[in-house]
Amino acid sequence: AQSVTQPDIHITVSEGASLELRCNYSYGATPYLFWYVQSPGQGLQLLLKYFSGDTLVQGIKGFEAEFKRSQSSFNLRKPSVHWSDAAEYFCAVGAQSGGSYIPTFGRGTSLIVHP
Amino acid sequence: DVKVTQSSRYLVKRTGEKVFLECVQDMDHENMFWYRQDPGLGLRLIYFSYDVKMKEKGDIPEGYSVSREKKERFSLILESASTNQTSMYLCASTPPIRGVEQYFGPGTRLTVT
Repeated sequence: AQSVTQPDIHITVSEGASLELRCNYSYGATPYLFWYVQSPGQGLQLLLKYFSGDTLVQGIKGFEAEFKRSQSSFNLRKPSVHWSDAAEYFCAVGAQSGGSYIPTFGRGTSLIVHP
Repeated sequence: DVKVTQSSRYLVKRTGEKVFLECVQDMDHENMFWYRQDPGLGLRLIYFSYDVKMKEKGDIPEGYSVSREKKERFSLILESASTNQTSMYLCASTPPIRGVEQYFGPGTRLTVT
């Protein structure tokens, strides 16, 4: 069975600083990987996804993530954080279950941005 | 624009009540999901459905049931609400296509007193 680990429960950064959120996955085949963001009181919104091709993927809001098969990682990065980026971030791996594709989510990383 | 709606943003119920949470999507997606979200635990899958009248248990189905009578609507039912079911409930949908992301509703924050 697949699993996702987000080792950081909380991350605090200053506005304008760079950001990296870690994600490690466990899956036997080629994974489908996602990063979602959840603003307070809202549902999840897709930031970016990877399922083939270029291992560096660009997403919305200036985020990017790099798939590293050798490290089973899919870390999320942003060069300069804005106060509006304060939110909960979830990494997910998608796997086939019968005829459907069922994602497994990490526990999330809460991003706090200091002015 | 893609849309998943949930019937209530906030709900307060008493222990033992029967609770219905409704989710509607307008994207003609085959797959629909119910999750609960608790601090530090992330999203845990309760049930999912891959077609009308079809359902599969997720990781934490105990105390819940679901209904899918129409493709666009997926209901979560708490037969007898308990305080440990106080949580945020998220609905999502997706087509059964490899690599496609889920679309989420805004969530229902349920409090059982």
